[in-house]
Amino acid sequence: GAVVSQHPSWVICKSGTSVKIECRSLDFQATTMFWYRQFPKQSLMLMATSNEGSKATYEQGVEKDKFLINHASLTLSTLTVTSAHPEDSSFYICSAGYTDTQYFGPGTRLTVL
Amino acid sequence: DAKTTQPPSMDCAEGRAANLPCNHSTISGNEYVYWYRQIHSQGPQYIIHGLKNNETNEMASLIITEDRKSSTLILPHATLRDTAVYYCIVRVNFGNEKLTFGTGTRLTIIP
Repeated sequence: GAVVSQHPSWVICKSGTSVKIECRSLDFQATTMFWYRQFPKQSLMLMATSNEGSKATYEQGVEKDKFLINHASLTLSTLTVTSAHPEDSSFYICSAGYTDTQYFGPGTRLTVL
Repeated sequence: DAKTTQPPSMDCAEGRAANLPCNHSTISGNEYVYWYRQIHSQGPQYIIHGLKNNETNEMASLIITEDRKSSTLILPHATLRDTAVYYCIVRVNFGNEKLTFGTGTRLTIIP
């Protein structure tokens, strides 16, 4: 139980385009999901907290207009990187809370050319 | 900021017990100790968590000192697949509470 999936697992796009990443809780409902970003050889950094039916809460320094988060159902949250640039290339990981623990998706590798 | 301190790296021989320490001297009374690991290019994997009693599951054991200022994660019989970065995190015991990751310990299992 407590499985979180992400789609796609990797994506390559051109600079200036937008990319959508999906995060799904497969066997439980999640009122709250989290989005992290990880650069090479660094730790995970929380970007935002996604709340079902309400606006996301962004961490300091994260541009909410660039990283659009939608949590329209209890099993799906999406992260859209708008007008992506090479510096947005990173490993994006989502997580969801189940009982007293958070479970993570496998991550999405974004490369912006 | 992360509230834990871990050694940056450790090696362990395959088949031996891997003991990963973590210091959390400022832990609050309602905070639990959680351990996750991240194998290269994958999302973090939950291992175990505890409040003050020692805990064991199919993956590992968690030993928390009586004053709760430090803990040790024990992988009883390390295999090559246990090579990963291990993160010790303290947080309240609530699924929707965010996790703050430190730099973790890079554990390398030596054949």
